[in-house]
Amino acid sequence: AQKITQTQPGMFVQEKEAVTLDCTYDTSDQSYGLFWYKQPSSGEMIFLIYQGSYDEQNATEGRYSLNFQKARKSANLVISASQLGDSAMYFCAMREALNTNAGKSTFGDGTTLTVKP
Amino acid sequence: NAGVTQTPKFQVLKTGQSMTLQCAQDMNHEYMSWYRQDPGMGLRLIHYSVGAGITDQGEVPNGYNVSRSTTEDFPLRLLSAAPSQTSVYFCASRVTGGGYTFGSGTRLTVV
Repeated sequence: AQKITQTQPGMFVQEKEAVTLDCTYDTSDQSYGLFWYKQPSSGEMIFLIYQGSYDEQNATEGRYSLNFQKARKSANLVISASQLGDSAMYFCAMREALNTNAGKSTFGDGTTLTVKP
Repeated sequence: NAGVTQTPKFQVLKTGQSMTLQCAQDMNHEYMSWYRQDPGMGLRLIHYSVGAGITDQGEVPNGYNVSRSTTEDFPLRLLSAAPSQTSVYFCASRVTGGGYTFGSGTRLTVV
């Protein structure tokens, strides 16, 4: 069964506006982590932000924040003040058994974000 | 610069040929993995390793072998290339609880 679902194949946002990229997940594990990665058109994968299942506060990294709603099993990425350089594919990933070294990560199919000038 | 180094960046193989994709990291990460990314899709796990001498299968292991003789190196071997293995391959490493550091990818075409 799909463990990570990104329902938005493509999103558009005006430059300087905020945008939310959706991610829902499914797990029965108590200790897990949610991760977001950015893949620009050049192809590299860049780690953006991480949220642990036991973290009480939503994670933030600069203009990126993670809206973590544990009961709803969602971990949406919020990008504030969008820039043209934010245009990329964004992947949500989940890793179970977070406190061990063996946890495997499962990736969603990604959302393509286009920032309009 | 510290990170994950993948070679080659591009490769064309004929059906039935074998080859090895190289991956090396200098961050002393115990966990390393190989993913493949097909057009318009997310990453699927091929094989992974939690430390030197230990490897295990991921979601799509058929047609691939790995070994981990050192902490630094984690090569991926294609045994007999097939057109279905045309993809972009990423090597990644991490510490426990951390996000992945990815290599720059290998774009493989099998004709």
